[in-house]
Amino acid sequence: EDKVVQSPLSLVVHEGDTVTLNCSYEVTNFRSLLWYKQEKKAPTFLFMLTSSGIEKKSGRLSSILDKKELFSILNITATQTGDSAIYLCAALNDYKLSFGAGTTVTVRA
Amino acid sequence: DAGITQSPRHKVTETGTPVTLRCHQTENHRYMYWYRQDPGHGLRLIHYSYGVKDTDKGEVSDGYSVSRSKTEDFLLTLESATSSQTSVYFCAISEYGTVSNQPQHFGDGTRLSIL
Repeated sequence: EDKVVQSPLSLVVHEGDTVTLNCSYEVTNFRSLLWYKQEKKAPTFLFMLTSSGIEKKSGRLSSILDKKELFSILNITATQTGDSAIYLCAALNDYKLSFGAGTTVTVRA
Repeated sequence: DAGITQSPRHKVTETGTPVTLRCHQTENHRYMYWYRQDPGHGLRLIHYSYGVKDTDKGEVSDGYSVSRSKTEDFLLTLESATSSQTSVYFCAISEYGTVSNQPQHFGDGTRLSIL
């Protein structure tokens, strides 16, 4: 059975801190790893990672994939209160997108 | 934002009643998906469609049916709602299927409560 596990389940940080979110996966016919940010409504797409070791960046967010160890990390630097959200990772294979349970990040002013 | 509209946004109903949720897209994407989101489980796929009248089951399809008579609309029906189907339901779309390595884009969700 395909499995995606995120850690930690939740964390609280102060503005300006750096956050590292973890995602491990066991998925047959793996194609890529996706990260989404979910505030109050729709999950919004952040990154898609297909190749190992190549960092993707968007502003203060960055992510990298390790296909040998089957995990990905999402980093958020210089956190702001607007970064408070649930961060979802998902593994894509030939058939479906399998989601982890998410990490809830709370950034305090 | 992807042109995805879900309706209704909130619904409260009673056990045993039929419920239909609608997903409407303006992107002309071929693939549409229904997920449910529950605490501790993330998003789980209920059904998906790969074209008009072409649908298939996901991992949690029991108790749900779907229909797609037009490219832009994908309906999710609970024939006889149960309390275990209380959840937040999300529709997603993608231009091509999973083999194309494309992200899915999500609607704002429908919060369904079954009493």
